Amino acid sequence: GAVVSQHPSRVICKSGTSVKIECRSLDFQATTMFWYRQFPKQSLMLMATSNEGSKATYEQGVEKDKFLINHASLTLSTLTVTSAHPEDSSFYICSALGQGSNTEAFFGQGTRLTVV
Amino acid sequence: AQSVTQPDIHITVSEGASLELRCNYSYGATPYLFWYVQSPGQGLQLLLKYFSGDTLVQGIKGFEAEFKRSQSSFNLRKPSVHWSDAAEYFCAVGPRGGYNKLIFGAGTRLAVHP
Repeated sequence: GAVVSQHPSRVICKSGTSVKIECRSLDFQATTMFWYRQFPKQSLMLMATSNEGSKATYEQGVEKDKFLINHASLTLSTLTVTSAHPEDSSFYICSALGQGSNTEAFFGQGTRLTVV
Repeated sequence: AQSVTQPDIHITVSEGASLELRCNYSYGATPYLFWYVQSPGQGLQLLLKYFSGDTLVQGIKGFEAEFKRSQSSFNLRKPSVHWSDAAEYFCAVGPRGGYNKLIFGAGTRLAVHP
């Protein structure tokens, strides 16, 4: 299957700093990318949907100013957690969707964020 | 409300034994249904999906799942488990038309005893 690379896989940051997570589709063009968050022993929760070249659509309850999403190219989307706090510590995972109906969405390996 | 329930948080089976992971969903209409597997440090890998047609679907790694509309279920099965199947398994549903806005269950962690 297609490859989606997420970087970094783990990051530790101090409270108040910002962290950027990258999601790259390595061998296909991703018109749409999804960002999920997973709390321990809970399911993945969709945070936002981003389409290349347009603003991301955030799910209810997700602060768009807190979680900045940029999808400037067909192969790269970034999630920036701004002014991180310990409660932002979580597992963040992206998926990328190619063009065409019923095209499979491929997932990155996830990023474990720890805010201290 | 739309939701996916995986009743079993953790399951342990012996290698060679059969496996069934349960998944029930609540959705306004018949959704697209998926099973994903996640190994430690890895992304989610699609095992199989149901869009339409035959309600018994075959997937990779010897897995299959059966969609039962009357029970709103999409249980995953494998006749003989291998040690390499130890992982976390997620059931997901989404609107018809693609992979948008998937709703995931909480996952079932599978342990395999030799």
